[in-house]
Amino acid sequence: KQEVTQIPAALSVPEGENLVLNCSFTDSAIYNLQWFRQDPGKGLTSLLLIQSSQREQTSGRLNASLDKSSGRSTLYIAASQPGDSATYLCAVSPSSNTGKLIFGQGTTLQVKP
Amino acid sequence: KAGVTQTPRYLIKTRGQQVTLSCSPISGHRSVSWYQQTPGQGLQFLFEYFSETQRNKGNFPGRFSGRQFSNSRSEMNVSTLELGDSALYLCASSFGGAGTTEAFFGQGTRLTVV
Repeated sequence: KQEVTQIPAALSVPEGENLVLNCSFTDSAIYNLQWFRQDPGKGLTSLLLIQSSQREQTSGRLNASLDKSSGRSTLYIAASQPGDSATYLCAVSPSSNTGKLIFGQGTTLQVKP
Repeated sequence: KAGVTQTPRYLIKTRGQQVTLSCSPISGHRSVSWYQQTPGQGLQFLFEYFSETQRNKGNFPGRFSGRQFSNSRSEMNVSTLELGDSALYLCASSFGGAGTTEAFFGQGTRLTVV
């Protein structure tokens, strides 16, 4: 059974710091991995999608890497800003023939001015 | 391009009642998936509809059901509501399913059962 773990559960950093959020999964047979952001009481905003054949994806100050063989992904946020404060969730898709995503519990990030 | 629209945004229901939630996906997307989010369990997959057919189902009781219409809009129904059904219900749309293409989520429906 696929399990997704995110460490740490919470993180507080001063503005301007570069930071790394971690995501690990137990079964390397995934089709893709997606990172999301969730603001309190809101829906999920897609940040980056990494297909299983890719090693990394970049969007602005965000960079996500994927190492399928070790079952790990990292989300790197450069020059953090208070507006980055949110919960970050990673999710894996176990099959190409499904809309099912398996989520981690998330990392809640607070960036202090 | 319009995003994923969920209605209503908030609902308060009494135990034993039933409720129907609606999700309109992004135009052209054929896959709609539903998730339940609670503080204790996180995000859990309910089911997915693709081209009007249920393609995948999570581990939820039969009180949770859904359907998809020919325009890809989807509804989720919960019968005989229990207090534990209080949660944020999210739907996601994607073109071919989240396994191959990016999934986009709506703002969710906050259901409170009293």
